[in-house]
Amino acid sequence: EVQLVESGGGLVQPGGPLRLSCAVFGFTFSNYGMNWVRQAPGKGLQWISYISKNSGKIYYADSVKGRFTISRDNAKNSLYLQMNSLGAEDTAVYYCARNMAGQVYFDYWGQGTPVTVSS
Amino acid sequence: EIVLTQSPATLSLSPGERATLSCWASQSVSRYLAWYQQKPDQAPRLLIYDASNRATGIPARFSGSGSGTDFTLTINSLEPEDFAVYYCQHYTNWPPITFGQGTRLEIK
Repeated sequence: EVQLVESGGGLVQPGGPLRLSCAVFGFTFSNYGMNWVRQAPGKGLQWISYISKNSGKIYYADSVKGRFTISRDNAKNSLYLQMNSLGAEDTAVYYCARNMAGQVYFDYWGQGTPVTVSS
Repeated sequence: EIVLTQSPATLSLSPGERATLSCWASQSVSRYLAWYQQKPDQAPRLLIYDASNRATGIPARFSGSGSGTDFTLTINSLEPEDFAVYYCQHYTNWPPITFGQGTRLEIK
């Protein structure tokens, strides 16, 4: 069974860092591109970052470029999101999501981890 | 950036009725469009990809159509579990990948 399990969310002060993790199970992680998608409270979905299966291609939404870093460890079946210089606008539930080979739509999602940026 | 606009924002229907949800793209996305369902406090679930292909395990009452800039998600004979928020998403000419703002399907 395919599972994606996020962790690392929590309360962080403005300007602070936070690192999210996504552990995957039930599929060959190294064969798939991965993404982070977030959802602010009461709002819609926002794609924020993509990493290809071998980390050769990495993309970010403009809203997080220069502050967030996506990475992966295929040996550990894990995806990461290092978030720096956090602001109130980054408060959201963060989902990791697998994209289908060759096309970036999201066939499996984690349950999400909440991030709250507040003093 | 391709902007996706969904209509209506809220749709009020009764179980057994047919729901028709629309998604318009600011420029052609060919058939590179997906639909998701999201229930409260749950992750989104993929329903449709490539505009009209049902994802694994999705009931046949869900269907997608369209190409270019105009797309439709149709849900025939609504079941109680279908009342949720629905999002469209494109995956052409990215980054960025963008979602529509969502349509809330509520029980009338």
